[in-house]
Amino acid sequence: GAGVSQSPRYKVAKRGQDVALRCDPISGHVSLFWYQQALGQGPEFLTYFQNEAQLDKSGLPSDRFFAERPEGSVSTLKIQRTQQEDSAVYLCASSSDRQGAQYFGPGTRLLVL
Amino acid sequence: AQSVTQLDSQVPVFEEAPVELRCNYSSSVSVYLFWYVQYPNQGLQLLLKYLSGSTLVKGINGFEAEFNKSQTSFHLRKPSVHISDTAEYFCAVSDKGYQLTFGKGTKLSVIP
Repeated sequence: GAGVSQSPRYKVAKRGQDVALRCDPISGHVSLFWYQQALGQGPEFLTYFQNEAQLDKSGLPSDRFFAERPEGSVSTLKIQRTQQEDSAVYLCASSSDRQGAQYFGPGTRLLVL
Repeated sequence: AQSVTQLDSQVPVFEEAPVELRCNYSSSVSVYLFWYVQYPNQGLQLLLKYLSGSTLVKGINGFEAEFNKSQTSFHLRKPSVHISDTAEYFCAVSDKGYQLTFGKGTKLSVIP
């Protein structure tokens, strides 16, 4: 079946611009995760949804970062007033349950100029 | 808190030779362990996972890993590598919750 998809794959933003990154999880997966991967580093946890409920947002680096999953399927990660330090690959993952293996999308590579 | 250490940032190996990528973790509780592979400009693909049971776990593409609780290790091995195995490999741990903590990755380069 179809895997996790993310769009756009690449995004160039000017500093101060707002961006929205989309994630389509595997159909039927109740758990959805966002990670941030800086250049040369492993992914770092940002936030976790179970269905439409955001159960953990402890990894969001600032109040400029906001994530939602209003219908328990597609999720959007929004970054307001982007800064250069926001440049990274943003990975979305989904899982059939909170403790199971997570399946990752291809990521969105964000470059803030 | 949990953490993952991947001891080698880069590992070059000749084609058809064996390889071991090392991973050590620290956690105050029991954990689940994972290895993911990342090809250039792609997302992470699950290679294998340890949840419970047998400490020797077999994954895709001929990879296997062994969970060693006393040494808090989960090293990844393959008896004979191919050019197509060139990629970056990430070890990850979960304390049976949901948040994955990743190591910094090991870049495997297979030399023809």
